[in-house]
Amino acid sequence: DAKTTQPPSMDCAEGRAANLPCNHSTISGNEYVYWYRQIHSQGPQYIIHGLKNNETNEMASLIITEDRKSSTLILPHATLRDTAVYYCIVRPSGGDDKIIFGKGTRLHILP
Amino acid sequence: DAMVIQNPRYQVTQFGKPVTLSCSQTLNHNVMYWYQQKSSQAPKLLFHYYDKDFNNEADTPDNFQSRRPNTSFCFLDIRSPGLGDAAMYLCATSRGAGGTYEQYFGPGTRLTVT
Repeated sequence: DAKTTQPPSMDCAEGRAANLPCNHSTISGNEYVYWYRQIHSQGPQYIIHGLKNNETNEMASLIITEDRKSSTLILPHATLRDTAVYYCIVRPSGGDDKIIFGKGTRLHILP
Repeated sequence: DAMVIQNPRYQVTQFGKPVTLSCSQTLNHNVMYWYQQKSSQAPKLLFHYYDKDFNNEADTPDNFQSRRPNTSFCFLDIRSPGLGDAAMYLCATSRGAGGTYEQYFGPGTRLTVT
């Protein structure tokens, strides 16, 4: 079973920041938080990952709480092309390399 | 620039007729994965190769086999497809195994079984 919990769906107005939450209360110290998204009928796309510190790249920012039990993916200026299912995934740094996808959050960007 | 390439994008096969899906990568990554994604569900890992070492998931049916003849190519063979095997099949690669390395996915092959 997936070790993460996400809301099934969210709406965001175009041009606004989209903040997608994820709970991972049983995360271990050596486990990374990963975010992928899947646009309809395409393969999943890597967005960002982090261990403890907040991370930012050209696509998004990842905010991880100090206790690491939850995180938020931020898309700073959402566009219609950001409409997708967003998956939050917890992965150990080594050993078993299984990625277990949960149900994800279906993000709708509203024009 | 395509990095993980899957051919064909759409495949139709008949019930019980063997079918092979292919994946190639230009990233020179060590690890290649195959996932199955059924309609309205999340992707599910079937197996992966770390170099030539094959790692099968415990609940992957025997009907599914894989070959990796070289670093660049990996194949998914379905020996006797059933109606329940209709799905999107996703190939992914990563430089190494474990959470330090992100996985890059191909566009998928959508398999229809008639």
